[in-house]
Amino acid sequence: KQEVTQIPAALSVPEGENLVLNCSFTDSAIYNLQWFRQDPGKGLTSLLLIQSSQREQTSGRLNASLDKSSGRSTLYIAASQPGDSATYLCAVTGDDYKLSFGAGTTVTVRA
Amino acid sequence: DAGVIQSPRHEVTEMGQEVTLRCKPISGHDYLFWYRQTMMRGLELLIYFNNNVPIDDSGMPEDRFSAKMPNASFSTLKIQPSEPRDSAVYFCASSLSSGGHLGDEQYFGPGTRLTVT
Repeated sequence: KQEVTQIPAALSVPEGENLVLNCSFTDSAIYNLQWFRQDPGKGLTSLLLIQSSQREQTSGRLNASLDKSSGRSTLYIAASQPGDSATYLCAVTGDDYKLSFGAGTTVTVRA
Repeated sequence: DAGVIQSPRHEVTEMGQEVTLRCKPISGHDYLFWYRQTMMRGLELLIYFNNNVPIDDSGMPEDRFSAKMPNASFSTLKIQPSEPRDSAVYFCASSLSSGGHLGDEQYFGPGTRLTVT
């Protein structure tokens, strides 16, 4: 069974600092990896999707890398802003085509 | 597009009552998923459909849970009878397959917060 782990569980940084969020998974036979953002009491918003054949994806201040062989992904958020405060979830699609989620990293960006 | 629509947004019911959660996926999407989120267990996939057909219901916790998708624009998740341990946020998500497989982004609805007393 796929296990997805996110470290750290919580992170607090001053505005302007770069954020580094880590995700690891136990089964490297994945179809893709997706990073989501969840605001309190809200649904999930997809941020980036990396196909298994890709090494990274970028969108604005966000960059996600994928090392499938070692079972790791990292989400980088450059020049953090208070509006980046949220919980960030990593999820992998296995070859059974089902998403397995990590528990998330809760980020607080202090103004 | 309005995105994935779920109703109700909040539901409070007493133990033993039937609960029905509703979902309208994004138009044109051919996959629909039901998830449950709790503090203890995080996000769990309950069941998913492809072209209105249930493909995998191995995540459905008990026979008290059932899901249907009568057409491409509507799905329900029913709990009968409900129990306090069913209290959670239930999310619906939809996706458009590529090349006949899952693999594209899943778009989530705002969720239904269910409280069973």
